[in-house]
Amino acid sequence: DSGVTQTPKHLITATGQRVTLRCSPRSGDLSVYWYQQSLDQGLQFLIQYYNGEERAKGNILERFSAQQFPDLHSELNLSSLELGDSALYFCASSVALAKQETQYFGPGTRLLVL
Amino acid sequence: AQTVTQSQPEMSVQEAETVTLSCTYDTSESDYYLFWYKQPPSRQMILVIRQEAYKQQNATENRFSVNFQKAAKSFSLKISDSQLGDAAMYFCAYRQGAQKLVFGQGTRLTINP
Repeated sequence: DSGVTQTPKHLITATGQRVTLRCSPRSGDLSVYWYQQSLDQGLQFLIQYYNGEERAKGNILERFSAQQFPDLHSELNLSSLELGDSALYFCASSVALAKQETQYFGPGTRLLVL
Repeated sequence: AQTVTQSQPEMSVQEAETVTLSCTYDTSESDYYLFWYKQPPSRQMILVIRQEAYKQQNATENRFSVNFQKAAKSFSLKISDSQLGDAAMYFCAYRQGAQKLVFGQGTRLTINP
């Protein structure tokens, strides 16, 4: 158990819908990363937050957005869902921004868009 | 942009034997970190081992060790005394500073009893 929690574990929804994925980092971790794992794209970085502020962006679609709240939990919002958004979405956290820190991954949320 | 390549989509090994998974990466930076993550059927991403680029000594964690060749930009993972529980997808990853992880495509490792 990495200490990072993600809810829900599984999500099944329809095209055009909107969903919210939630992540609670390890106690004391200020930095949160979101990754998407799909069959065709592999594991890709989406976005990073540090202490409530957006820090870096990857190949995140405009239909996707995220935020980190004062209690440091983070949410990834996916809207106008398409079949291709079906994937495993991981959240990872690290203490701060020091380069030697390890990112610890949550168990992931498996999203299926029908 | 940095890239990570794992040229072996699948590997298999007999239980108790040794197996080596390959990884190469491309970067123009000199200070970075390399990782191997394991993803068992549960899909959890588990850190296996990490290597700091500035360290010449290869990292070791119990039965897992790496062969880090900085000039060749190669970072292979050796698993000794393979166990059934080692069966998983293995991902090589690169990170510069406190930035994102860049992953390879993964190698599926099968352990034959």
